Amino acid sequence: GQQLNQSPQSMFIQEGEDVSMNCTSSSIFNTWLWYKQDPGEGPVLLIALYKAGELTSNGRLTAQFGITRKDSFLNISASIPSDVGIYFCAGHNAGNNRKLIWGLGTSLAVNP
Amino acid sequence: GAGVSQTPSNKVTEKGKYVELRCDPISGHTALYWYRQSLGQGPEFLIYFQGTGAADDSGLPNDRFFAVRPEGSVSTLKIQRTERGDSAVYLCASSFDRGTHEQFFGPGTRLTVL
Repeated sequence: GQQLNQSPQSMFIQEGEDVSMNCTSSSIFNTWLWYKQDPGEGPVLLIALYKAGELTSNGRLTAQFGITRKDSFLNISASIPSDVGIYFCAGHNAGNNRKLIWGLGTSLAVNP
Repeated sequence: GAGVSQTPSNKVTEKGKYVELRCDPISGHTALYWYRQSLGQGPEFLIYFQGTGAADDSGLPNDRFFAVRPEGSVSTLKIQRTERGDSAVYLCASSFDRGTHEQFFGPGTRLTVL
């Protein structure tokens, strides 16, 4: 099935550094969602975006809905050890009922 | 608890056996989704329900997989004649069936087929 291109695949950073990851699609989406998954847990919704150009923050996290509607970005500022996990993007387009299309995830490791 | 719950959290079975996995969605959420997740992969869509009916079951891999939601709340994913390749984490999510597409996930059931 269709998948989103999510990059980077993995990141290893020092505590306090900023992090940026992105997702791209070959088709236009009307919704972008960013999730974080910890080991042994289900994905937890971080940020939802519904409008092209929209920039939304949730604490140290900021996500943007690209103006082309084919990409989205997630930034984490001043990373801390509990930011460790796998970050997934997911998108929805009008032709898919309520199904989401998922990226393969970005694995983040933070060195204290 | 107000979140999605799934039982059991872990299930170990033998090849060829039948298993049932249960999902309790968030109260008031009429849409319910089942996903399968293998190590290092994102969630793989299986099926979703609007109320009691399966609105899209295109992700079910074969006819050994079946899901029901008889009263529009709790759902059961059923796997017949399990195979080793069915081993994965099975995730359930729920959402409203109008408006936002935000899906809220349970902790998953880890299925191991020996």
